[in-house]
Amino acid sequence: RKEVEQDPGPFNVPEGATVAFNCTYSNSASQSFFWYRQDCRKEPKLLMSVYSSGNEDGRFTAQLNRASQYISLLIRDSKLSDSATYLCVVSTGNQFYFGTGTSLTVIP
Amino acid sequence: EPEVTQTPSHQVTQMGQEVILRCVPISNHLYFYWYRQILGQKVEFLVSFYNNEISEKSEIFDDQFSVERPDGSNFTLKIRSTKLEDSAMYFCASSDPDSSYEQYFGPGTRLTVT
Repeated sequence: RKEVEQDPGPFNVPEGATVAFNCTYSNSASQSFFWYRQDCRKEPKLLMSVYSSGNEDGRFTAQLNRASQYISLLIRDSKLSDSATYLCVVSTGNQFYFGTGTSLTVIP
Repeated sequence: EPEVTQTPSHQVTQMGQEVILRCVPISNHLYFYWYRQILGQKVEFLVSFYNNEISEKSEIFDDQFSVERPDGSNFTLKIRSTKLEDSAMYFCASSDPDSSYEQYFGPGTRLTVT
């Protein structure tokens, strides 16, 4: 069973659209949760941590549902520069598990 | 803005050879990590390192691999007797203990085993 599962997409959305990504994780003992973005052939870059109460950073909103072992990321008012692969990351202890990523292309 | 650096950016080696990949983590970070990403696949955790010892390691991190912090700034990954399937991008990352394990990644070393 995969530790972290994501819909690989691709998601192709017009500029200005709102898009949501989902992620599920298998280990109920997981402690920390993150969203990263990865541009083609580049390193992952931290987008935001995900907290139980939900958190927002500008156009980005992350939610965590521990009971359902589910994490989401909402991007509002999509920009062309948001085009990337979005990685859901879950940690248990000091071991980190990445999802396969969801590909987003924002179209002019 | 401080960043994680890695050298070399690309390493080509022959099967069976040993390689050392080098990383300089962010200076006030105390946790260090190595990951690999085979082309087209997901990022895979290899090992975490804290207080001069391995904290956690994955099943991938077998006896072929070792890590070291030889001085106060470098963090290295050694791969002994490389195999074709070791060809991948290897990322180093570091995190600050006060920042909930938020990791910052280096640009990666692309390892090609021929």
